Amino acid sequence: DAGVTQSPTHLIKTRGQQVTLRCSPKSGHDTVSWYQQALGQGPQFIFQYYEEEERQRGNFPDRFSGHQFPNYSSELNVNALLLGDSALYLCASSLSGSEQFFGPGTRLTVL
Amino acid sequence: EDQVTQSPEALRLQEGESSSLNCSYTVSGLRGLFWYRQDPGKGPEFLFTLYSAGEEKEKERLKATLTKKESFLHITAPKPEDSATYLCANRVGGAQKLVFGQGTRLTINP
Repeated sequence: DAGVTQSPTHLIKTRGQQVTLRCSPKSGHDTVSWYQQALGQGPQFIFQYYEEEERQRGNFPDRFSGHQFPNYSSELNVNALLLGDSALYLCASSLSGSEQFFGPGTRLTVL
Repeated sequence: EDQVTQSPEALRLQEGESSSLNCSYTVSGLRGLFWYRQDPGKGPEFLFTLYSAGEEKEKERLKATLTKKESFLHITAPKPEDSATYLCANRVGGAQKLVFGQGTRLTINP
């Protein structure tokens, strides 16, 4: 079992650019959640996808958007990057109602 | 507002010195209290889920307990490899959103 995978591992962008992060869930899982983790802080919930629909959203601006594909994989898109978007972006997968398992994360640096 | 607070922020112990980490929460309708371990630069690793007051779960040197307002992660005779940040989170609402605390950074000195 490959577990949750994320790509890329690291990414460097400049302010104003757009970025797409990718996540493949653990085998058998149907729900994907995205979190942002700033240095020294706990993860903050961005949104959750289930059956290709955004099911719940945290307190993040519309610059943050996502998508879930029929194979349950997911993308996180961030437009008009700001310096404050620099963080570790975590994807977690679960089977509805069960524990969330996290991937290794994507480290985004905005210059 | 739902809130999770962990204490202490950092804890340094000698190998073999047992201690406890605290997680307090203010939330209506708790639907699970979760503990994760996170190594630097990596994603959180799932440890335990607790659902009701009085519940306890154990894994190797770790034991998690839950009351109506707080959870404790007890670490018995820790080893240097137990050094990590320990995160707790609760699940709220009808979906599976997790609300995390800021974590406790645990260091075990040999």
